[in-house]
Amino acid sequence: EAGVAQSPRYKIIEKRQSVAFWCNPISGHATLYWYQQILGQGPKLLIQFQNNGVVDDSQLPKDRFSAERLKGVDSTLKIQPAKLEDSAVYLCASSRPGQLSGANVLTFGAGSRLTVL
Amino acid sequence: AQTVTQSQPEMSVQEAETVTLSCTYDTSESDYYLFWYKQPPSRQMILVIRQEAYKQQNATENRFSVNFQKAAKSFSLKISDSQLGDAAMYFCAYRTISSGSARQLTFGSGTQLTVLP
Repeated sequence: EAGVAQSPRYKIIEKRQSVAFWCNPISGHATLYWYQQILGQGPKLLIQFQNNGVVDDSQLPKDRFSAERLKGVDSTLKIQPAKLEDSAVYLCASSRPGQLSGANVLTFGAGSRLTVL
Repeated sequence: AQTVTQSQPEMSVQEAETVTLSCTYDTSESDYYLFWYKQPPSRQMILVIRQEAYKQQNATENRFSVNFQKAAKSFSLKISDSQLGDAAMYFCAYRTISSGSARQLTFGSGTQLTVLP
């Protein structure tokens, strides 16, 4: 099966500019996650979708970050305005919903590296 | 809230030798899942191995095995016959299976593994 697709792979912007990242999950995966990974740290969940509804966005800085998942497939994560501390890799992952069986494992994309100058 | 701690920021191993990466976690739940993910320079997070907390038997996947000590809340990864391709950042992760929760992955800070030829 095709993996989780993300774009762009790299983005460099100046502070106070805006940026958007796109994610296309594995076909049939209803659950989609956005993680932020700052250099030298483990990924931190920003937002989780189940189909096109938000399950958890408690760690999303809502004053500058927004995310949507129209039609329950592709998702976009936007940052506006960006700050220096937003420099990180933004990872998208997807999984099947329901019981946590052996098949319900998160599959990650290759990530989008953001540098804010 | 659950926390995951990886106390070894860096480890190195000689090719063909065995290495053990440590992970401890904190939780009040009795049932959960634990994972080890590998992240090479390409940034793609790859699942290495997973363990269900209700299973007493330690999980094994080819050269990778875990030592799961539930009472001690310890979950170490052993890599046998290390290969150059094993060089990567390794993340330990916890996932709740409680109903009604977001079932997100909580990651440790990672251990950078170097394999010496």
